[in-house]
Amino acid sequence: GENVEQHPSTLSVQEGDSAVIKCTYSDSASNYFPWYKQELGKRPQLIIDIRSNVGEKKDQRIAVTLNKTAKHFSLHITETQPEDSAVYFCAASKGDFGNEKLTFGTGTRLTIIP
Amino acid sequence: DTEVTQTPKHLVMGMTNKKSLKCEQHMGHRAMYWYKQKAKKPPELMFVYSYEKLSINESVPSRFSPECPNSSLLNLHLHALQPEDSALYLCASSQVEQFNTEAFFGQGTRLTVV
Repeated sequence: GENVEQHPSTLSVQEGDSAVIKCTYSDSASNYFPWYKQELGKRPQLIIDIRSNVGEKKDQRIAVTLNKTAKHFSLHITETQPEDSAVYFCAASKGDFGNEKLTFGTGTRLTIIP
Repeated sequence: DTEVTQTPKHLVMGMTNKKSLKCEQHMGHRAMYWYKQKAKKPPELMFVYSYEKLSINESVPSRFSPECPNSSLLNLHLHALQPEDSALYLCASSQVEQFNTEAFFGQGTRLTVV
């Protein structure tokens, strides 16, 4: 099955600086790569996703890059703010029609230092 | 309405009890999922329903019994659980008509087995 590794496990960043979280996946058939943010005691929420036919995607302060050859993808958060503090999970899926089987990375606890 | 609603929010049950977790969505999603999340760990897929039929069972013990009575509802019946089954149980849903779409998560049921 799919195996997703995520680094670092914890990350502290000064407010206003950038944060980068990296993930690698094992199954070359995986073609959908979402990133979820989970605040303490709350549900995971999708913040950005990328499909295998795209190399980069940006949404305001958040960007994701995908290198299919190397089987890794990264989350970039610029101009970090205190509300960015949370646990971030990358995930990979090779969802077939009618199914969506996400394999999550181990998570990164991001702390923004005011 | 982009909500997935789970009840109850918290549940404490004994090892001989029978209880059920409920999940509801009104987004017209035809794929629904149960995930288990232990503290400081990523969500782990348990079951996937597609068009109200069980399509994936990730080798979950039979003391967990899923049910999808209609396209909006998903239940998880619990019986003879063990203390190690204590966790946050997350329900999610997604479209299936489009290839690889966002999974919307409920806020979870925090289960404690005593």
